[in-house]
Amino acid sequence: DVKVTQSSRYLVKRTGEKVFLECVQDMDHENMFWYRQDPGLGLRLIYFSYDVKMKEKGDIPEGYSVSREKKERFSLILESASTNQTSMYLCASRLDGYTEAFFGQGTRLTVV
Amino acid sequence: AQTVTQSQPEMSVQEAETVTLSCTYDTSESDYYLFWYKQPPSRQMILVIRQEAYKQQNATENRFSVNFQKAAKSFSLKISDSQLGDAAMYFCAYRSAGTSGSRLTFGEGTQLTVNP
Repeated sequence: DVKVTQSSRYLVKRTGEKVFLECVQDMDHENMFWYRQDPGLGLRLIYFSYDVKMKEKGDIPEGYSVSREKKERFSLILESASTNQTSMYLCASRLDGYTEAFFGQGTRLTVV
Repeated sequence: AQTVTQSQPEMSVQEAETVTLSCTYDTSESDYYLFWYKQPPSRQMILVIRQEAYKQQNATENRFSVNFQKAAKSFSLKISDSQLGDAAMYFCAYRSAGTSGSRLTFGEGTQLTVNP
């Protein structure tokens, strides 16, 4: 079974802190994604990566950056956390453009 | 850009009954995929069913089936013989076909409650 693991299920951070959300997949997938989930808005794409060291902005990249130094790991970085970044963050991966995506269990981030 | 709309924020159904969740989408593409994902309280997103736009036949997976109307850009999910374990948030999603980096575009979600 494909496994997508997010490093934390719950995080509480202070305003202005630099925050790292980590995602690891164990199936040699090419594509990885970070989504943000908010009530009434569904899932919105923040960034995605289709290969190591490659990244593309999604629909809401402001205030975020990403890093993909190794194929299995895709990190989401909040350079200076703000209260409006309090949300659920979901990581996903897939082999390529023809196959289904697999999701991690989400990180619920609260910025106080 | 593609958009996906789920107009029912909440739905409820009696156990063993049938419920239909609605989804519409907007695209100028002719080749694409549509999905229904389920997110139970555990937060784990689970793929329920997938439909290729070039296929006229509606996809079916056990108690789950879709009504895909390409011209109307409608993609509804029917759950038959509803079970308590079907209670979850359901998301409709769209993806372009074949592009390596193509992303999933999601609707707002429908929270389904199953009453015993």
